Amino acid sequence: QSVLTQPPSTSGTPGQRVAISCSGSSSNIGRNAVNWYQQFPGTAPKRLVNNDNQRPSGVPDRFSASKSGTSASLAISGLQSEDEADYYCASWDDSLDGWVFGGGTKLTVL
Amino acid sequence: QVQLVESGGGLVKPGGSLRLSCAASGFTFSDYYLSWIRQTPGEGLEWVSYINSRGDYTNHADSVKGRFTISRDNAKNSLYLQISSLRAEDTAVYYCAREAGGLGFDYWGQGTPVTVSS
Repeated sequence: QSVLTQPPSTSGTPGQRVAISCSGSSSNIGRNAVNWYQQFPGTAPKRLVNNDNQRPSGVPDRFSASKSGTSASLAISGLQSEDEADYYCASWDDSLDGWVFGGGTKLTVL
Repeated sequence: QVQLVESGGGLVKPGGSLRLSCAASGFTFSDYYLSWIRQTPGEGLEWVSYINSRGDYTNHADSVKGRFTISRDNAKNSLYLQISSLRAEDTAVYYCAREAGGLGFDYWGQGTPVTVSS
């Protein structure tokens, strides 16, 4: 049972826009930044978004993120087949004094 | 370039122990907090432990507290995770990751698998 809640799966067709939600609480998302990670099968996760909505160098601007209160969202516009992957949100949790992750969302490009 | 390379994983019996290592290169190791994060087969990511840059403060997830110990040797640019009293549910790929301040984990190793089975 993950501390942050994400939908287990979502899907879209090429060119479409999809959004993945991440719900937390006042001890994590409510007071700390949210980071998003992308993971392909058999590989290590890669940071996609940090500090709620900042894209590291090299991440396409098709990926955007936002946060409001204790929830966050990752949006992917102009969906491409190579975006098919697992996506995880994460945040620092002040009560646990540690990092918490969402359970991950598997994105399928139809 | 920044590299993190884990080693030390393997097959271990329930109740057994292992020491995982993570060799770092390409950055000033002693400037960064580091964490161990694990991923059970077909499941999501779980943060396990973190250690501050000097190595004098650590914390562990409740699921491993008292059984796992994180440590580092800044002179050797190495991070360690001593795992003991292993249970089947500890079976996972263990990643070491560099923490970019509060900006999450900017570099990850390739992971080392740990399988707990009799």
